[in-house]
Amino acid sequence: GAVVSQHPSWVICKSGTSVKIECRSLDFQATTMFWYRQFPKQSLMLMATSNEGSKATYEQGVEKDKFLINHASLTLSTLTVTSAHPEDSSFYICSARDWRERRDTQYFGPGTRLTVL
Amino acid sequence: DAKTTQPNSMESNEEEPVHLPCNHSTISGTDYIHWYRQLPSQGPEYVIHGLTSNVNNRMASLAIAEDRKSSTLILHRATLRDAAVYYCILRNSGGSNYKLTFGKGTLLTVNP
Repeated sequence: GAVVSQHPSWVICKSGTSVKIECRSLDFQATTMFWYRQFPKQSLMLMATSNEGSKATYEQGVEKDKFLINHASLTLSTLTVTSAHPEDSSFYICSARDWRERRDTQYFGPGTRLTVL
Repeated sequence: DAKTTQPNSMESNEEEPVHLPCNHSTISGTDYIHWYRQLPSQGPEYVIHGLTSNVNNRMASLAIAEDRKSSTLILHRATLRDAAVYYCILRNSGGSNYKLTFGKGTLLTVNP
């Protein structure tokens, strides 16, 4: 199956700093990528849909100025958490849709655990 | 998207079959039934999906009721590595909205 990677796998930062998380599709091109957030013992919550070459579409309640998404190429999307605070500590997961796939499958990355001190 | 209902948790013994139910009484004719699972501290993994007919792959089988208001994910022989949260998700095939809406899922525990 297709592989999606994320970097870093975990990060610890101080409150007020910005953190960038990368999501890469390794063996396929992804015109659409998705960013999710998951708090402990909870389900995944979609944050935004990232389309290559255009602005991301954010879900209701997600601050677009705080969670900057860039999808500059068909294999890379980045999520930058700006001015991070302890409440932003969470497990961030990306997924990518292979545009060639007729079965409409999303491939998920392994996740990035963010801890803000 | 139409809503799904799953039991919060289920328990199984290793090497026995597991039947994970999902109710989706408000499913529309163009909704596909997707199953993903998430192992601890990992991203979700695609399991299987279907529309009307039963589906089989190397991981599992998907049995869809004739009225499509419910479905069952079948793991034929559970292993310890199958312990995960299983999500049943409906996704409309129309338009260009490919996003998935995750519910709470079913936490499957596999006993040795």
